Amino acid sequence: EDKVVQSPLSLVVHEGDTVTLNCSYEVTNFRSLLWYKQEKKAPTFLFMLTSSGIEKKSGRLSSILDKKELFSILNITATQTGDSAIYLCAVGLQGAQKLVFGQGTRLTINP
Amino acid sequence: DAGVIQSPRHEVTEMGQEVTLRCKPISGHDYLFWYRQTMMRGLELLIYFNNNVPIDDSGMPEDRFSAKMPNASFSTLKIQPSEPRDSAVYFCASSSRRGGRDTQYFGPGTRLTVL
Repeated sequence: EDKVVQSPLSLVVHEGDTVTLNCSYEVTNFRSLLWYKQEKKAPTFLFMLTSSGIEKKSGRLSSILDKKELFSILNITATQTGDSAIYLCAVGLQGAQKLVFGQGTRLTINP
Repeated sequence: DAGVIQSPRHEVTEMGQEVTLRCKPISGHDYLFWYRQTMMRGLELLIYFNNNVPIDDSGMPEDRFSAKMPNASFSTLKIQPSEPRDSAVYFCASSSRRGGRDTQYFGPGTRLTVL
């Protein structure tokens, strides 16, 4: 069975801290790994990674994929209260258009 | 460009009633997905369509759930009869094979409460 596991499930830090969120996967036919941010509404797309070792960056957020060890990390530097959200990791599969989602990491940034 | 549109945004109904959730995907997208999200089970894929044809409905929990996509711009998810355990947020998402094919764009969701 295809599986995506995120850790930690919950994280509370202070504004200005740097956080690292983890996503590991066991799937039959990997094609891509995606990160989404979910605040109070729908998940919004952050990154899609397909190649190992190539960092994707957007402002204070960055992500990298390791296809040998089957994991990805999402880094957020100089966190702000607006970064508080659930961060979802999902894996896209070869031969199917669907995504397999992890259970999410609930990140809380305290002022 | 309008995103994915869902209606209603909130639905409160009584056990045994029929519930119909609606979705309009992003224009030009050829894949449409229905998800359910709960605290206990997270985000679960129920069914997805390609060019209006159901491709994988293995996530549909039971026969009480059905989904249709009569044309490229409209889909429904129906629950009949509804039960309290169906209470969840239901998301519709769409994607396109062209460019970033795995990137799905989500609608605002319908929060369903079955009493």
